[in-house]
Amino acid sequence: NAGVTQTPKFQVLKTGQSMTLQCAQDMNHNSMYWYRQDPGMGLRLIYYSASEGTTDKGEVPNGYNVSRLNKREFSLRLESAAPSQTSVYFCASTRGVSGGNQPQHFGDGTRLSIL
Amino acid sequence: RKEVEQDPGPFNVPEGATVAFNCTYSNSASQSFFWYRQDCRKEPKLLMSVYSSGNEDGRFTAQLNRASQYISLLIRDSKLSDSATYLCAVFNAGNMLTFGGGTRLMVKP
Repeated sequence: NAGVTQTPKFQVLKTGQSMTLQCAQDMNHNSMYWYRQDPGMGLRLIYYSASEGTTDKGEVPNGYNVSRLNKREFSLRLESAAPSQTSVYFCASTRGVSGGNQPQHFGDGTRLSIL
Repeated sequence: RKEVEQDPGPFNVPEGATVAFNCTYSNSASQSFFWYRQDCRKEPKLLMSVYSSGNEDGRFTAQLNRASQYISLLIRDSKLSDSATYLCAVFNAGNMLTFGGGTRLMVKP
């Protein structure tokens, strides 16, 4: 059982390039999340999808777009990468629509560097 | 002021010591609370949920103080393998889980 799978694991981009980070979960979870983690900042929520067909902004959505392709997959897109987006990106999922008391299951992370 | 705050540490303790971390939150309407453990260059993993009455899992005890708006994590008889960063997380209405910046623990022989 793979859980939450993120691809790629590492990526280096030039400023202005675009790319999509992929995330898939095989736990039949309803809610999915994208976070970024910077040193000393903890995890900050970029976007989330409470259920298939819905997406909402988190704490730091600027410069990103998301797509909830189906129940399993939730992708994060950087249209025009900036050095400030250099970070480690984590995808997570929870079973319930509301999140609530349920723990979040995380992928391994994508380490993204923008030059 | 950050919504969820933690002392970044590091906390350097000898094996066998007892160590406690606190995490304060600003939203009095917060509903659910968690402690996550994150090893270096790895993803966060749920350590334990925090219940109103306090809860224990082996050497780990979590407590919630709603009046003072903080949660705590107590680790007894520290092991070398406990060395990690401990993140607290607070869930508010609006389906968002907010994380603290993490507290780094280093257990030394």
